[in-house]
Amino acid sequence: DSGVTQTPKHLITATGQRVTLRCSPRSGDLSVYWYQQSLDQGLQFLIQYYNGEERAKGNILERFSAQQFPDLHSELNLSSLELGDSALYFCASSAGLAETQYFGPGTRLLVL
Amino acid sequence: GIQVEQSPPDLILQEGANSTLRCNFSDSVNNLQWFHQNPWGQLINLFYIPSGTKQNGRLSATTVATERYSLLYISSSQTTDSGVYFCAVLYDKVIFGPGTSLSVIP
Repeated sequence: DSGVTQTPKHLITATGQRVTLRCSPRSGDLSVYWYQQSLDQGLQFLIQYYNGEERAKGNILERFSAQQFPDLHSELNLSSLELGDSALYFCASSAGLAETQYFGPGTRLLVL
Repeated sequence: GIQVEQSPPDLILQEGANSTLRCNFSDSVNNLQWFHQNPWGQLINLFYIPSGTKQNGRLSATTVATERYSLLYISSSQTTDSGVYFCAVLYDKVIFGPGTSLSVIP
């Protein structure tokens, strides 16, 4: 157990809908990262937050947004969902900006 | 942007064999990590190793930052080592390599 929690574990929804994925980092970690893993794209970095502020941005679509709250948990919002958004979404946390990352169990999203 | 390559893409080993996985990156990086994704999809941190050598049981890793590569050694492999091994580098953002898929057969 990495200490990073993600909810929900599984999510099935329809095209055009909006969903919110939640991540709680390890106790004391200030950085949260979001990743998307699909069969054709591999593991893609989406975005990083550090102590509530956006720190780095990767291949995140405009339909996706994220935030980190004062209690350091983070949410990833996916809107206007398409079939191609079906993937495993991981959250990771680290103590600082460029330190060891610990991954949560992931949320498996299926868009029908 | 920075490129990360891993080799070999696939590897099949008999239980008890040793192996070396390689990660090449095209530019200087701030850090490098090795992960194991088990068959259930869980990503497990193996090493945080921006430079030098580390060992943890049957696994060890070496990063030569000046030559832009890292190696992961697995000795006396076990069936539980099966899965995909990723290296990830931190540049201005995190970039994962494509992975090495390892199957250890009894």
